[in-house]
Amino acid sequence: AQKVTQAQTEISVVEKEDVTLDCVYETRDTTYYLFWYKQPPSGELVFLIRRNSFDEQNEISGRYSWNFQKSTSSFNFTITASQVVDSAVYFCALSEEYTGNQFYFGTGTSLTVIP
Amino acid sequence: NAGVTQTPKFRVLKTGQSMTLLCAQDMNHEYMYWYRQDPGMGLRLIHYSVGEGTTAKGEVPDGYNVSRLKKQNFLLGLESAAPSQTSVYFCASSSRDGFEKLFFGSGTQLSVL
Repeated sequence: AQKVTQAQTEISVVEKEDVTLDCVYETRDTTYYLFWYKQPPSGELVFLIRRNSFDEQNEISGRYSWNFQKSTSSFNFTITASQVVDSAVYFCALSEEYTGNQFYFGTGTSLTVIP
Repeated sequence: NAGVTQTPKFRVLKTGQSMTLLCAQDMNHEYMYWYRQDPGMGLRLIHYSVGEGTTAKGEVPDGYNVSRLKKQNFLLGLESAAPSQTSVYFCASSSRDGFEKLFFGSGTQLSVL
């Protein structure tokens, strides 16, 4: 079973629109971490955020914000006022205490921001 | 700021050939990982290492071998390449277990003909 599900394969938005990327995870652990990574067209993987299972406070960093809801096992990522530079593939990932050495990645969401 | 360095960046192999991908990190990280990325499948863990001299299998280990003889290096070997191993390979490292963020290399594009 997929531990991390990113149901949106591809999303296209027009510049300045807001967009939310969904991430649903599955775990039986009470201690776990969730991550978001960005992969721009150049191919490298860039770390965006880490959130532990005991901290449900939402986080905002500039135009980026993350909504963590344990009740729905979701860790969604919103980009406000999208820009062309936001075009990339975004990956959500899970690391569990029980299997702490392994990260489980979703299949990614490809975001295209149209100028 | 080297971070995680992968070599080579591109490689083309014929079926049955062997090769080794090298990953080097200069951050004194204990944990190192090899992932492969395929369209629509995200990143899948091949092998990982929790310290010098130790390795373990990940989600898709078949057809690959690894070695961690030095803390800073993690080698991924393909003994007899198959077209199914055409992929982009990423090496990553972290300072401790899976609760710390991964630092990734720039990737290796491997094509097996």
